Amino acid sequence: QQPVQSPQAVILREGEDAVINCSSSKALYSVHWYRQKHGEAPVFLMILLKGGEQKGHEKISASFNEKKQQSSLYLTASQLSYSGTYFCDLSIGDAGNNRKLIWGLGTSLAVNP
Amino acid sequence: DGGITQSPKYLFRKEGQNVTLSCEQNLNHDAMYWYRQDPGQGLRLIYYSQIVNDFQKGDIAEGYSVSREKKESFPLTVTSAQKNPTAFYLCASSSPGQLTQETQYFGPGTRLLVL
Repeated sequence: QQPVQSPQAVILREGEDAVINCSSSKALYSVHWYRQKHGEAPVFLMILLKGGEQKGHEKISASFNEKKQQSSLYLTASQLSYSGTYFCDLSIGDAGNNRKLIWGLGTSLAVNP
Repeated sequence: DGGITQSPKYLFRKEGQNVTLSCEQNLNHDAMYWYRQDPGQGLRLIYYSQIVNDFQKGDIAEGYSVSREKKESFPLTVTSAQKNPTAFYLCASSSPGQLTQETQYFGPGTRLLVL
C-alpha cells in the first residue's frame, strides 16, 4: 500500500534537470510533495488534487496522472538549494472524510556545483 | 507568527523511563500528528488526532501514548515499553479543508537518544 518513489537517489550538477516519480497501487485523491533538508523537518512544496492541473513553483513543478495513479515532480535547472530528500504523501480514498495519508520512503537528491 | 513548536530539541532517556515530548501549535489547526523518523528512512505515523479529546493509532503506536486535551497541544509520551526509541520525532498539524486538503506543517522535531 505504501507508495513507490523512484529513483531512490539522484546526484545532479547544478543546472541539470531531474524527475522524481511516486506511484500508488490505490486510487488517489490528492498528492502532496515535501522536501526535507538534512536534520530539519519536511517543508510543504505543493499539492495536486484529483482532477487538478499540473502545478508549478518557480523551477519545480509536478503532475498528477489519475489513470496511472502516479505523480511526478520535475526539477529544472537545479540549484544547490534543491538538495534534500523529497517525499510524496498520498491521500487515498474519496472526497469524503474517509481518506488515509500514506508517505513514500523518499528520494535523496544531491546537487553539486 | 503562527507555527508549531516542539520541545525539547534533544532528549535523553534512561532505561525504564517514560519521557514526554511537547508539541504546540497556534495555527488553529484541528488535526495534529506524530511521526517517527529513523536515520535515512521515511516518516512513520505514530498517532494522530482530528479533534480535541479524540485520537487514533497510526502504524507504530505500540510503546507510545498521546493526549489531546486542548486544540493547541498534542504531547507524546514514549513509555518504557518502547524498546528502541532512539529516533527523530516530528509533530505536524493540518487543517482539513477544500483548499488545503490535509497539507501538513511540521515542527522542528525532537531527537530522542537512549542513554
